[in-house]
Amino acid sequence: NAGVTQTPKFQVLKTGQSMTLQCAQDMNHEYMSWYRQDPGMGLRLIHYSVGAGITDQGEVPNGYNVSRSTTEDFPLRLLSAAPSQTSVYFCASSLTSGVPSSYEQYFGPGTRLTVT
Amino acid sequence: AQSVTQPDIHITVSEGASLELRCNYSYGATPYLFWYVQSPGQGLQLLLKYFSGDTLVQGIKGFEAEFKRSQSSFNLRKPSVHWSDAAEYFCAVGSDYKLSFGAGTTVTVRA
Repeated sequence: NAGVTQTPKFQVLKTGQSMTLQCAQDMNHEYMSWYRQDPGMGLRLIHYSVGAGITDQGEVPNGYNVSRSTTEDFPLRLLSAAPSQTSVYFCASSLTSGVPSSYEQYFGPGTRLTVT
Repeated sequence: AQSVTQPDIHITVSEGASLELRCNYSYGATPYLFWYVQSPGQGLQLLLKYFSGDTLVQGIKGFEAEFKRSQSSFNLRKPSVHWSDAAEYFCAVGSDYKLSFGAGTTVTVRA
């Protein structure tokens, strides 16, 4: 198993550009999520999904869109990039979407995004 | 809403010495508590979890944590630190399908 994979590893965008961060898992996990990590703030939840076709907002959803058309993939779209979105983005997944097992998450290696 | 506080931003410890990382949570009901570790340039890995029952839980890599309801704490401990334990450690609480993380504690291990 490759686990949770994220592409690209690094990305530089100009303000106003759009892009999609890719996330895939090959473990047949139900639950997937996106976080951003900023210095001194830990990880903050952007969006999450409890299964294909179901998504919901986390703590900091503004400026980001997600969709979950398959169990394996959970892309994160930046609609119009802003410097405040400079961050490291992590995708995570867990086997089931039930509580509390959905909190036992496997993380990808991250995407470092810089918006100039 | 739930929240997590990690009072120590950075801790330096000598190799072979003991380590304790503090975590305080705010949550109305019995919390689901976790410790995750992030090695430099990597994603996070689950160290251990507390759901209910025995308040002392064991995790991977020789770590343990103790849940104290009266103090709203879930402190992480390791009796003897190895150089490979240098990393950033995050405490988290789970609620309503979401994990809320503390700001993290960076651990430096000196020889």
